[in-house]
Amino acid sequence: GAGVSQTPSNKVTEKGKYVELRCDPISGHTALYWYRQSLGQGPEFLIYFQGTGAADDSGLPNDRFFAVRPEGSVSTLKIQRTERGDSAVYLCASSLMGGPGEAFFGQGTRLTVV
Amino acid sequence: DQQVKQNSPSLSVQEGRISILNCDYTNSMFDYFLWYKKYPAEGPTFLISISSIKDKNEDGRFTVFLNKSAKHLSLHIVPSQPGDSAVYFCAASGGSNYKLTFGKGTLLTVNP
Repeated sequence: GAGVSQTPSNKVTEKGKYVELRCDPISGHTALYWYRQSLGQGPEFLIYFQGTGAADDSGLPNDRFFAVRPEGSVSTLKIQRTERGDSAVYLCASSLMGGPGEAFFGQGTRLTVV
Repeated sequence: DQQVKQNSPSLSVQEGRISILNCDYTNSMFDYFLWYKKYPAEGPTFLISISSIKDKNEDGRFTVFLNKSAKHLSLHIVPSQPGDSAVYFCAASGGSNYKLTFGKGTLLTVNP
């Protein structure tokens, strides 16, 4: 597809369970970002990949959160032992190089922890 | 600590009039600013940006103004159209230039 694709669109999980959220960036984009948007807030930075490596994971809230991008394209955000406070829309974005300029966002995955 | 602030949660404007959305920032390291538009159940869509070396950037009906001394930027939409109704996020980056810091957004409603 032409844009950033995120699956699933919606995910409901029970507290304590493990979830994986997937992001397919725009083809050829080397930079990939994960953001989290809680209700009434703007998106908050979680992690940035340049190629396969996590160049900056300073936004990950704790060690229950982990993300990978093994082949420099698709990325997976993994959340262990989910908590109700993890409920949010998780947004993935990609950009051509990672420098100044617009990042293109996917539609997001709405995660609800019950 | 909110480094990017959008103090108006909502704004209502009549079709054909000007919409002015405001944004303030506190981090002096920010040197690139962007506006994103977001419809419900969609991701943010890039609208317009401005570098700190400029004080104005225009793209069709959209103009962004930057006042570095006041650490303030604004987005002007002229003329406003009902299809402009959305949440508008102000975002900033600096230094490393890769991660964006967003404001909380302003819900713009353009009434026919």
